[in-house]
Amino acid sequence: DIQMTQSPSFLSASVGERVTLSCKASQNINKYLDWYQQKLGEAPKLLIYNTNNLHTGIPSRFSGSGSGTDYTLTISSLQPEDVATYFCLQRNSWPLTFGSGTKLEIK
Amino acid sequence: QVKLQQSGAELVKPGASVKLSCKTSGYTFSTSYMSWFKQIPGQSIEWIGMIYAGDGGTGYNQKFKGKATLTVDTSSSTAYMDLSSLTTEDSAVYFCARNEQPRGFDYWGQGVMVTVSS
Repeated sequence: DIQMTQSPSFLSASVGERVTLSCKASQNINKYLDWYQQKLGEAPKLLIYNTNNLHTGIPSRFSGSGSGTDYTLTISSLQPEDVATYFCLQRNSWPLTFGSGTKLEIK
Repeated sequence: QVKLQQSGAELVKPGASVKLSCKTSGYTFSTSYMSWFKQIPGQSIEWIGMIYAGDGGTGYNQKFKGKATLTVDTSSSTAYMDLSSLTTEDSAVYFCARNEQPRGFDYWGQGVMVTVSS
C-alpha cells in the first residue's frame, strides 16, 4: 500500500497569513493527489483534485502543486472559516490511501 | 442538486451485522461509481471499496474483504454497505461518496455512526 505522510500534524497561523501544508507519498503517485477539508462533525469536502485542479465553488485562495512523491496545498490568505483538518488522498493505485491529516487553527 | 443521504446511527451488538444505506438524487446513479469510507472519530480516513452502479462491479481494500459487502439498487438510486461479524474495532463513522472522474470524490453523504457494544 502507498503510505501518505502529512506535515505538520498541527498548524496555528494568523488570519491573512500564507499557509503551506505538505503531503509525501511513499512512491510516485503520478499527480493523482487530492486535498480534502473536514470541519468538525462534517463530511470531507473536496478542495483540489489531481494535484492542482480547483474543485467547483472552492475559493481561489486554495491552490495545489507537486509531482512525483511530494505535494503541497497552499492557502494564500488564511480566513477564519478555514479552520479544519486537511487530508490528502492518493488515487494512483488501490487501495486508495489518505494522509493522517493536518489540523489547522487560527492563532 | 446532487445529494447523498445516509441512514441513521446504529447501535449493534458484537457478532451482528448491519446494512447501511446511501440514497442518492440529482444525478444519473446507474452510470456512476460510489465508494465507502471508514473514519474513527479523531483519526484519519480509510477507503473501504468502490462499486459501479451500472453492473454492480466492485473493488475492495484488502483490509475490508470479508468485512464489507457493497451493493446497489438502481431502481431506488441507493447504494448499500453490509458490515458483518462486527467487533468494537468496527465502531466508526462511515461515509459514502460519489466518485466522478476525473474529480475524485466530489459529493459525500453526511456520515453514519456505527457503535458496536454489548
